Parts: sequence; structure tokens; C-alpha cells
Amino acid sequence: DTEVTQTPKHLVMGMTNKKSLKCEQHMGHRAMYWYKQKAKKPPELMFVYSYEKLSINESVPSRFSPECPNSSLLNLHLHALQPEDSALYLCASSHDSGSSSYNEQFFGPGTRLTVL
Amino acid sequence: RKEVEQDPGPFNVPEGATVAFNCTYSNSASQSFFWYRQDCRKEPKLLMSVYSSGNEDGRFTAQLNRASQYISLLIRDSKLSDSATYLCVVNLPQAAGNKLTFGGGTRVLVKP
Repeated sequence: DTEVTQTPKHLVMGMTNKKSLKCEQHMGHRAMYWYKQKAKKPPELMFVYSYEKLSINESVPSRFSPECPNSSLLNLHLHALQPEDSALYLCASSHDSGSSSYNEQFFGPGTRLTVL
Repeated sequence: RKEVEQDPGPFNVPEGATVAFNCTYSNSASQSFFWYRQDCRKEPKLLMSVYSSGNEDGRFTAQLNRASQYISLLIRDSKLSDSATYLCVVNLPQAAGNKLTFGGGTRVLVKP
């Protein structure tokens, strides 16, 4: 089972709201990722968690706050977002954070976020 | 220069034909390579990893040329369902972890 699930599928929020995106995988993967994808652009890496610890933060603004409660779950807390933050937010997981050709990343279906 | 570059297309392909396209990467230290496909408003789905010796999966063949720093994808006997954007993805190892760099994607349209 190579399934990564994400909730909600769609989210509309105002600039003063606080919301959270959730991601879950049950493949025993120890690395999890958040990406942001704008229309007609490739995904851009935001954060990497390896063994439940934040290992990469791609200089993401502090209004995005990741959390990894356990090895299966990854959250992205949102606060005081801007309209330009509207995008598809993708979660992915991989066996671990190594760079082998066998360490593929599997993506969830994404949360389509609109900030008004 | 972008780290991973692809011809954006679109490649208009008659059903049943063969189509091939490349992707170039700038960092010779890149270690692993993948092709993903992405349908409109969907997530990227892994199509295949690209191994040094080249590999084939059904109608899809991937090749890696480290000397010239490019990878290629060939699709034989194209189906209408092959219409998608194909993302070339390169893994540049970093001390902090596994970071994938995506090309801009090549759009393929298979027509009857």
C-alpha cells in the first residue's frame, strides 16, 4: 500500500484565520515532506522531517509551522497567511531521507488552499 | 541556469506513436533520478526511478547519461491515458537529508 492521505482536500481561509493541514502514511516511512505547488509550476520543497525531527526548512515564512507528532503523521499549521499563499500543498513520504534511487517519494493528493 | 531543465512542450503525439524527451541537470553530484507524471490538478505519481544502466517498465524506457548530465524518457505505443505532464526529478544529496529538485515538466498530449 503506497498511500499517503491528506485532509482536508480543499480549504478556504481568511488572512486572520488559523488552520491546520494534516498528512498521514502507514508505510513505515521515516521521512516526510511538505511541498507547495502553484499552478503550472513544479512542486517546491518547504520542509523535510527525518525520524520525526525537522531536518530541512527551505527558508519558509514563520506563518507556516510544521509539526511531526509521530512517525506516521505530519501537520502544517497555518496562521496569518497571505493571498499569494494560495496553492496546492502536497505531503510526501519516503523510506528514509537517503538519496538512493530506491528511496522514492510518494505523494498525497494534496490540499488545495485558497486564502482570501 | 536552472538545476533541472525540461522542454515544456506540449508534445502532440498520435495514438500508437513513440515519443521521447530529455531532461538536463546541472549538478554532477546528483545521485538519483526519477520520472513522475502529474495529471491536471492531481498529485505527482512516481512513474519510474532511473538507474545507471537504464531501465524499462512496459512501454516506458528511461535512460541516464551521466557524462552529458541528462536523463530521457521514451514512451512506446502511446495511449490516450498517457496524456499528462512528465516531471523530471533529481536528488541532490545534502547533509540534512533527501531533497528532490523538480524540472518544470514536459506536457504530452496523445491524440486519436
